[in-house]
Amino acid sequence: DTAVSQTPKYLVTQMGNDKSIKCEQNLGHDTMYWYKQDSKKFLKIMFSYNNKELIINETVPNRFSPKSPDKAHLNLHINSLELGDSAVYFCASSRGQGANQPQHFGDGTRLSIL
Amino acid sequence: LAKTTQPISMDSYEGQEVNITCSHNNIATNDYITWYQQFPSQGPRFIIQGYKTKVTNEVASLFIPADRKSSTLSLPRVSLSDTAVYYCLVNPGNMLTFGGGTRLMVKP
Repeated sequence: DTAVSQTPKYLVTQMGNDKSIKCEQNLGHDTMYWYKQDSKKFLKIMFSYNNKELIINETVPNRFSPKSPDKAHLNLHINSLELGDSAVYFCASSRGQGANQPQHFGDGTRLSIL
Repeated sequence: LAKTTQPISMDSYEGQEVNITCSHNNIATNDYITWYQQFPSQGPRFIIQGYKTKVTNEVASLFIPADRKSSTLSLPRVSLSDTAVYYCLVNPGNMLTFGGGTRLMVKP
């Protein structure tokens, strides 16, 4: 069974559209995250949720809105997509918030804006 | 957040031991040192984590000197499937900051 699963794996859409990426983890973890990996392969954290509550919100345009219906799910909704949003988006989870809690990543959603 | 510096790329041959060193001169007291591995088209995968001295698991060893300003990931007897990008992270709490990583190429 996949521990952290993201859908869709690929997403190609037009500029200006609104799209969502879903993430689910079956590890029983309390904390979930969204990361963005750009073309230079740098991975940057966007959001972190603990038990459905937002705990980290890095400098991300407010077009990006995470939603956590329960602690096993953290979805990412993006409004008015722009060319610069093209990237790979990774979801991750960890048992808790501590520095010694390894994060488990999904395989990414490749978003391409036309 | 502590910044890390690691080589951009390394080449090795199957069966060799590979050591990747990461510098983190301004590491803080609370920081752990964590290494992740990333294959193409996959998310990063946790390899090993340590705070001081030496940590070993079934995949790798992590050596941390007393001043903790650097650390070395050691991969014993690499195989072709170890070709990947390896990231060194030094972070308090769960605010992971990934640098560019080291691209390891294992050749036959």
